[in-house]
Amino acid sequence: KAGVTQTPRYLIKTRGQQVTLSCSPISGHRSVSWYQQTPGQGLQFLFEYFSETQRNKGNFPGRFSGRQFSNSRSEMNVSTLELGDSALYLCASTEGVNTEAFFGQGTRLTVV
Amino acid sequence: ELKVEQNPLFLSMQEGKNYTIYCNYSTTSDRLYWYRQDPGKSLESLFVLLSNGAVKQEGRLMASLDTKARLSTLHITAAVHDLSATYFCAVRNTGNQFYFGTGTSLTVIP
Repeated sequence: KAGVTQTPRYLIKTRGQQVTLSCSPISGHRSVSWYQQTPGQGLQFLFEYFSETQRNKGNFPGRFSGRQFSNSRSEMNVSTLELGDSALYLCASTEGVNTEAFFGQGTRLTVV
Repeated sequence: ELKVEQNPLFLSMQEGKNYTIYCNYSTTSDRLYWYRQDPGKSLESLFVLLSNGAVKQEGRLMASLDTKARLSTLHITAAVHDLSATYFCAVRNTGNQFYFGTGTSLTVIP
C-alpha cells in the first residue's frame, strides 16, 4: 500500500509570507502528527489530528496551525514566516495510539 | 515534560568494530522506538520495543529495553559503511506524541 505522502518536497519562502504544507496518510490511518526538525532543536512535536480534530498540540506559537479533512489528509499552515521556521517538516501517520508510526519524506522549508 | 537523552551525539567508528548507542528517558514508558535517518531523508522505523527486557535484532543492529532503568541500547556489530546515518530513539506518551532523543550521527570509516 502507498506510504505517507508529503507535498511539496521543497519550498523557498520570504519572511512574512505564509505557507501551507500537505500530508496524505496511509489509507485507513486516521491520525496525522506533524514534527519540525532543525539542527538546533532536533525533532519537535507540532500537533496531532485524529478524525478531523486536533487532539494534541506542542509548544509552538499560534502562527503554526493545522487541520484535517474527512479523508484524513492534513495540512499545516505557517503564517508570517520567520527565518527560524526554516526546517524539515515531517508528518507521521498512525492508525491510532500506540500503533506503529510511519513518517513521510518531509517538506524542506527555507525562509529567506 | 518527558525527556529523552542519547549518547554519544557523534560516533565515528571503523568498519568491523562494535559499538553501543545509549538512550535514557525520564518517565515511565514501556514502549521505545528506534529510527534511522539518512541525510535529507525521512525517518525509517528500525525497532519497536514493547516491554521490559525486549530484545530485537535485524542484521548488524540489536536493540534492547530496560524499563526499570529507563534505558535502551542500540548495539552495532561489525559495522559496515551502509550503517552510516543518524539514529534516533523515541518514547511516546499516552497522547500519541513522540519525544525524540537528540540523535546519534554515526559515521563508519573504511
